[in-house]
Amino acid sequence: NAGVMQNPRHLVRRRGQEARLRCSPMKGHSHVYWYRQLPEEGLKFMVYLQKENIIDESGMPKERFSAEFPKEGPSILRIQQVVRGDSAAYFCASSPRWDQPQHFGDGTRLSIL
Amino acid sequence: DQQVKQNSPSLSVQEGRISILNCDYTNSMFDYFLWYKKYPAEGPTFLISISSIKDKNEDGRFTVFLNKSAKHLSLHIVPSQPGDSAVYFCAAKIETSGSRLTFGEGTQLTVNP
Repeated sequence: NAGVMQNPRHLVRRRGQEARLRCSPMKGHSHVYWYRQLPEEGLKFMVYLQKENIIDESGMPKERFSAEFPKEGPSILRIQQVVRGDSAAYFCASSPRWDQPQHFGDGTRLSIL
Repeated sequence: DQQVKQNSPSLSVQEGRISILNCDYTNSMFDYFLWYKKYPAEGPTFLISISSIKDKNEDGRFTVFLNKSAKHLSLHIVPSQPGDSAVYFCAAKIETSGSRLTFGEGTQLTVNP
C-alpha cells in the first residue's frame, strides 16, 4: 500500500515562472491537505480539499496560489509568478476521513532562483 | 500568532533513558492533539494522538500526557533508542471545525548510544 506520493521531490524555478506541485493520496483516502514549511519553522496549513471541492483554504495566500483535487488524477498546488519568498518545503497529507490522522508525503522542496 | 509552541528546539538524551518532549498551546478550543516524527528529507510520520476527553494515551514506548488546565502536553519515549533521533512536532486541531492542523516549531531529539 503506497503512501502519499509527491512529485517532483525538488523543483527549481526562476522568479516569475509557475510552479506545479503534485500529490497522489494514499489509496482509499479522499481528503487531501497541503502544508508549507519555511526553514527553521513548523508546518503551516494552506488548504484542505476533497474530490472536486475546496473545503478550507484559509491558509492560502490570497494571490498567486491555487489548489485543486480533480475527480481523476492527483491534487495540484499551483503557484504563479513565483518569488524568492515562495522557497520552502511543501507537504501534502491525506486521510480516509476528516477525523482520522493525516499521513504525509515526503514533500516537494521548491527553490526560487 | 504562534498558537502551538515547543519551547525547546533541541533535546539530547542517553540511550535507554526517558525522553520528554513538551508542547504548550494557547487556543482553548483545541480538542485533539497529535505528535509527529520527522527525519531529514522525509515527511512527518504520525506517532500518537490524544483527545481532550483523556489525559493519557499510551502506545508501546510512546505515551502522551495532556494537562488541559495548563494547556500543556508532553510526549514520553521510554526507553529511548538511537533510531528515535528526529525532529518531533506537536500538532493541534479543533475537531468540530475541520481538519486543519496547527503545528509547533519542532524539537530535535538526539539519542546518544
